[in-house]
Amino acid sequence: QQQVKQSPQSLIVQKGGISIINCAYENTAFDYFPWYQQFPGKGPALLIAIRPDVSEKKEGRFTISFNKSAKQFSLHIMDSQPGDSATYFCAALNSNYQLIWGAGTKLIIKP
Amino acid sequence: NAGVTQTPKFRILKIGQSMTLQCTQDMNHNYMYWYRQDPGMGLKLIYYSVGAGITDKGEVPNGYNVSRSTTEDFPLRLELAAPSQTSVYFCASNFSRGPRSGANVLTFGAGSRLTVL
Repeated sequence: QQQVKQSPQSLIVQKGGISIINCAYENTAFDYFPWYQQFPGKGPALLIAIRPDVSEKKEGRFTISFNKSAKQFSLHIMDSQPGDSATYFCAALNSNYQLIWGAGTKLIIKP
Repeated sequence: NAGVTQTPKFRILKIGQSMTLQCTQDMNHNYMYWYRQDPGMGLKLIYYSVGAGITDKGEVPNGYNVSRSTTEDFPLRLELAAPSQTSVYFCASNFSRGPRSGANVLTFGAGSRLTVL
């Protein structure tokens, strides 16, 4: 119930394509869903986040889609660029106000 | 503004040795956290602190200890290193006026890679 399942583990996308990473959860008490981006040798950094009262949030080329009934949310990266190559983590805030993290997706954008 | 600074960046320990991972933040954040990151496992919370003098266990606290004597510093102590503690350790911090306000926007350090042989 405290898990966040993230897929795929790794993803290769051509430059200019759309990258899509999916996460699913069971616990309906989760109420805040951030995505973090991590470059090699660095700590994760907040990319974009959403609350369950909205179905979509867009910031530049990055969009979160949220499906409350299916308990799923996804990150879409439009016009993917080589600089987007990184590991992406989804997370969810539980009732103890702690983040529960997905396992991560390694994204490679091919030039 | 350095943000969150972790030392050392790399360390190799022998089984049974002890060491302290240092973490310092200069953002006057009240909340601080220690996570470990294992391949394919995401981030697991070890310990956290909501302010100087206050610490609490996270998801995987066994084998670790922490202290928070100042707002800035949050060291993580490994007393008897075991191979299972081979991991990358991240310190993070944020400012929060309460459990539900901004507890999710974390600033991370660059990590400390620990190998126990």
